[in-house]
Formats: sequence, structure tokens, C-alpha cells
Amino acid sequence: AQSVTQLDSHVSVSEGTPVLLRCNYSSSYSPSLFWYVQHPNKGLQLLLKYTSAATLVKGINGFEAEFKKSETSFHLTKPSAHMSDAAEYFCVVRDSSASKIIFGSGTRLSIRP
Amino acid sequence: DTGVSQDPRHKITKRGQNVTFRCDPISEHNRLYWYRQTLGQGPEFLTYFQNEAQLEKSRLLSDRFSAERPKGSFSTLEIQRTEQGDSAMYLCASSGRQGVSYEQYFGPGTRLTVT
Repeated sequence: AQSVTQLDSHVSVSEGTPVLLRCNYSSSYSPSLFWYVQHPNKGLQLLLKYTSAATLVKGINGFEAEFKKSETSFHLTKPSAHMSDAAEYFCVVRDSSASKIIFGSGTRLSIRP
Repeated sequence: DTGVSQDPRHKITKRGQNVTFRCDPISEHNRLYWYRQTLGQGPEFLTYFQNEAQLEKSRLLSDRFSAERPKGSFSTLEIQRTEQGDSAMYLCASSGRQGVSYEQYFGPGTRLTVT
């Protein structure tokens, strides 16, 4: 069965410093992986997706993620954090049946001024 | 706005009452999904429709829950005899055939509070 593990429940960084949100996946085949962001009182928004094309995926708002098969990881990064990045981030893997997606438990990102 | 919409946004009900939520997907999307999200957790899959056919249901979906998508457009999720444990955010998402990714677009959710 497919699953994702988000290694940090909470990450706090200073504004202007790099962001790293860690995600490891488990899959018996080549997975489709996603990162979603959820701002308070707003809907889930797709940040980026990996679907077996380029291993370095660029998303919206300056975020990117690298698929590393050897490490079964799909970590989310951003070179310079902005106050507006404060939100909950979810790493997601598509189920083998392709009928649903499976969410990690989420990482809350806080930005210090 | 052509995104996924959900109604109502908030619902407070007393234990034992029935509630119904509505989801309107993006118009050209043929797949519709329901998820439930409790505080501090990621969303959990409940059920999924392709057009009007309900193709998969999670074991989380007890017999008090029923979902329909009668004409392959909007969907309703009904909870009968609500319990306090049903308090959660109920999320709807839709997707269409977009390459191989089937990426899902989410609505704002309906927050249910059972008192």
C-alpha cells in the first residue's frame, strides 16, 4: 500500500531563510507525488506534482521538490521564506488504483519576523 | 469563480440530527471525491464518484453516511443520526482527465460541529 510520512509536525524558520519540509514515501511502483498547502480557513491548494517526468519539480510561490528514488524522498524546499508562507503543508501520494490520494499528517510551517 | 464550491461552509447540529452537505465540482470534471479532516490531521478519503457511479467507499464511511451524485454533476453527502465524533471538516474535490496525474482540486470545505 502507498503511504507518506512527514517527518516534522512543525517547522519554524526566520523570514528570508531557506525552508525544508521533509517527506518520505512508500510505494510498490513508481508513484505520483504532490505537495498541497492549506492556509487557515482556506481550501487546499496544489503546490506542485511529480508524475515520473523531471525529478526536480517547480511549483507555485517559489517552492520546488526533488524526487529521490534511492532515498524514497520528496522533500519540499524554498530558498527564502516569506511571512505569507505560514500554513499547513501536506505531502500526498496517489493510490495504486488512481482513484484517491493519500495525505501525510501535515507539517505546520511558522515564519518568524 | 469556476472552482469547487461547497455548501454550507459551517454547520452546527445537535447529536442525533441528520445533516446534508452539497458539493459542486468544476464543471468539466467527471470525478468527485469526499474527504474528512479532523483537527491536526491530514484529510482522509471517504468516497469517490466517476460520473454518477460511486466506485469506492472507505471503511470510514459507516452506514450512517450516504453520498450521491445523481446526474454526474453536483454531489450530496448525508450523515444520519450525527454523533460528536462526526465533528470535522468535510472536503470535496474534483478531477478530470488531465494527462496521467488526475490532480484534484479542492473546495473550501464544510465544517461540521455536533453538540
